[in-house]
Amino acid sequence: NAGVTQTPKFQVLKTGQSMTLQCAQDMNHEYMSWYRQDPGMGLRLIHYSVGAGITDQGEVPNGYNVSRSTTEDFPLRLLLAAPSQTSVYFCASSYRPMDSPLHFGNGTRLTVT
Amino acid sequence: DAKTTQPNSMESNEEEPVHLPCNHSTISGTDYIHWYRQLPSQGPEYVIHGLTSNVNNRMASLAIAEDRKSSTLILHRATLRDAAVYYCILRDGGGGTSYGKLTFGQGTILTVHP
Repeated sequence: NAGVTQTPKFQVLKTGQSMTLQCAQDMNHEYMSWYRQDPGMGLRLIHYSVGAGITDQGEVPNGYNVSRSTTEDFPLRLLLAAPSQTSVYFCASSYRPMDSPLHFGNGTRLTVT
Repeated sequence: DAKTTQPNSMESNEEEPVHLPCNHSTISGTDYIHWYRQLPSQGPEYVIHGLTSNVNNRMASLAIAEDRKSSTLILHRATLRDAAVYYCILRDGGGGTSYGKLTFGQGTILTVHP
């Protein structure tokens, strides 16, 4: 199993550009989520999904869109990138939404200039 | 969401036990207690989780207070590789509006001295 795969590893965007961060898992996990981590800070939840076709907002959803059309994939879209979105983004998944361990990807480091 | 409170930092010597405390006084009956750690420049890594009873695994032990308002992560013999930020998190298993939502706090920075 590959686990949770995030692409790309690094990305530089100009203000106003859009892009999609990809997240895929091959463990048949119901639950998937996106976090951002700013320097010296903890992780903040952006969006999460408890199953295909179901998504919900976390703490900091503004400026980000998600969809969950398949169990395996949970892409995160930045519509109009802003410097405030410069961060490291982590995708995580778990078999069930409540008691199963979260598996994290290796992160995407995004810089918006 | 139920919140957790952890000390900002703790220090330990190598090969000594470490007890990392976490307070969660507003925990609900369906909240699971999870612990993760994050090494520098890496994504978080699962350590252990439990509901009511104490739990052991190859990495650590989790001691949960009888009233569930606090818990302690125990590293039995700290190594230099255990130096990390440790996060105590409550995971809502109740099926309410925050079902599955998992929010990280600031965590405890653990420093291990040789």
